[in-house]
Amino acid sequence: EAGVAQSPRYKIIEKRQSVAFWCNPISGHATLYWYQQILGQGPKLLIQFQNNGVVDDSQLPKDRFSAERLKGVDSTLKIQPAKLEDSAVYLCASSLSGLEQFFGPGTRLTVL
Amino acid sequence: DAKTTQPTSMDCAEGRAANLPCNHSTISGNEYVYWYRQIHSQGPQYIIHGLKNNETNEMASLIITEDRKSSTLILPHATLRDTAVYYCIVSAPSGGYQKVTFGTGTKLQVIP
Repeated sequence: EAGVAQSPRYKIIEKRQSVAFWCNPISGHATLYWYQQILGQGPKLLIQFQNNGVVDDSQLPKDRFSAERLKGVDSTLKIQPAKLEDSAVYLCASSLSGLEQFFGPGTRLTVL
Repeated sequence: DAKTTQPTSMDCAEGRAANLPCNHSTISGNEYVYWYRQIHSQGPQYIIHGLKNNETNEMASLIITEDRKSSTLILPHATLRDTAVYYCIVSAPSGGYQKVTFGTGTKLQVIP
């Protein structure tokens, strides 16, 4: 079974630029999550989708972050414009039952 | 979600059992105990979860006290590949979905 795919693996941008991350969950998993993990901290949930609907986006900084999952399969997370404090690893996870989450390798973002 | 308390770090000799404690004294009756781990530069990996009874799978055992205020994750024969940050999380289903809130976890170092 293929795991959660994410791209790119690494991205370096300057502040005020835009960036987008892509995630393809495990086939058949209806629930998709985006997390932000700052160095030395645990992952923080940004947004949770059930199929193509948003279940929880309470911790998503909506003035600069957006996410979509148009066909209920893959998803993109965008930051526009980026700030220095957005430097982090962005993790995508998917779940079939909602109990066990499967994580991708993450995208490491550096904002200069 | 109830808060969990874990030691910041632990060492374990290779081949010995690793016992990782977690306190969750304010856990509610419908909250599950989850364990995930994160190996360096990888996404978190689900290990095990339980509600009241002790659980065992191919990776680990989860021992939950009778009052459910604490639990212990046991890796029966630790290997160098088990070196990782281990997260203990308590979470209850809400509206049919499970929200997982990560803390800072326990950094387990397996020593040769």
